[in-house]
Amino acid sequence: SQQGEEDPQALSIQEGENATMNCSYKTSINNLQWYRQNSGRGLVHLILIRSNEREKHSGRLRVTLDTSKKSSSLLITASRAADTASYFCAMDTGRRALTFGSGTRLQVQP
Amino acid sequence: EADIYQTPRYLVIGTGKKITLECSQTMGHDKMYWYQQDPGMELHLIHYSYGVNSTEKGDLSSESTVSRIRTEHFPLTLESARPSHTSQYLCATGGQSGLGQGFLDSGNTIYFGEGSWLTVV
Repeated sequence: SQQGEEDPQALSIQEGENATMNCSYKTSINNLQWYRQNSGRGLVHLILIRSNEREKHSGRLRVTLDTSKKSSSLLITASRAADTASYFCAMDTGRRALTFGSGTRLQVQP
Repeated sequence: EADIYQTPRYLVIGTGKKITLECSQTMGHDKMYWYQQDPGMELHLIHYSYGVNSTEKGDLSSESTVSRIRTEHFPLTLESARPSHTSQYLCATGGQSGLGQGFLDSGNTIYFGEGSWLTVV
């Protein structure tokens, strides 16, 4: 990937379980964002964490950031079938535009 | 939330045809972007604009061109489509809004349209 790698590439879980996705990046960032993409649609912004923050919560989402390791994780708790989508991390390096990771495809089985 | 409209949503055209993908937004954001995404793959920035009459090429080389004559519109044009251009094209906006509603900034967040799926046969 040009900037970020996500792991795993695909994840299949049962409803009610937690889903964890990881993102590693290569250069210094101002902030890191997570986006969701339903199949065949555009991306929707989920949450932003700044470089001086270590953890952030929004509803069932929990994001962590470790700038020393250049990594972030997205945790979705108590997953639902409607959470099925692809999830992308996006790095704001202060350059011209966000650069996106390779994405994790999440499948939540009802 | 920004309202971003992309047309057409789906397009199948023959090789050699000229096509324009339209992108319009109603938030008055100064920054607009075009990303290209193959199915199941990552997004690649192909063009961006920081304002009217400002356009720059992105990280991924593209044979397409763009224009930004008005704040609201950021159309992408392929003069002669080829099968290698088959992909999804995503338009996005962000930055500051100058719609007279006071100073608004999307705060580094960008907003995407629903995408245009282009198939060249």
